[in-house]
Amino acid sequence: QQKVQQSPESLSVPEGGMASLNCTSSDRNFQYFWWYRQHSGEGPKALMSIFSDGDKKEGRFTAHLNKASLHVSLHIRDSQPSDSALYFCAASENQGKLIFGQGTKLSIKP
Amino acid sequence: EAAVTQSPRNKVAVTGGKVTLSCNQTNNHNNMYWYRQDTGHGLRLIHYSYGAGSTEKGDIPDGYKASRPSQENFSLILELATPSQTSVYFCASGDWGAETLYFGSGTRLTVL
Repeated sequence: QQKVQQSPESLSVPEGGMASLNCTSSDRNFQYFWWYRQHSGEGPKALMSIFSDGDKKEGRFTAHLNKASLHVSLHIRDSQPSDSALYFCAASENQGKLIFGQGTKLSIKP
Repeated sequence: EAAVTQSPRNKVAVTGGKVTLSCNQTNNHNNMYWYRQDTGHGLRLIHYSYGAGSTEKGDIPDGYKASRPSQENFSLILELATPSQTSVYFCASGDWGAETLYFGSGTRLTVL
């Protein structure tokens, strides 16, 4: 079983809408979480990190972490076609070795 | 911006052949990583390194070796390639305690 599980597998959102992606870890040693985004044909790029319980906002992106339930989410408001990509949740015990989830494919429909 | 360069971009190999994937980083990062990406599995860690001369096993090291001859270069070696190793391979670099890994553009490997 993967230590980092993402849902849904794929998601379609209208342009201007809100996209919500979820991630759950099965390992209580994971203390640090990231969201990465990968456009087709490219390598993944870091979107944002979250290390403390609660919300972290960066522009249109908001991450939420609940360490008690090992759940982290990413919310994208005012979604744009350029947000269409594969999104990965990643977790680490010590900010070194990152373990990735299987990804959520987000499609933004004009 | 941090730079990680992988070569080749595409590679076709025969079963039983030896394959070497190369990665170079100009970020002066201590840590380097090799991941493979497969649909439904996301990115899985194969090997990583904390600096020149060091290599560590990741979550799926079987069938792969790694080499870190210098701070800048990290290679992934498939001594006897198998069709199950057909995948897209990504190299990344980062510093211990840093928040971000920087990925290359990937190498698409097909083993026939």
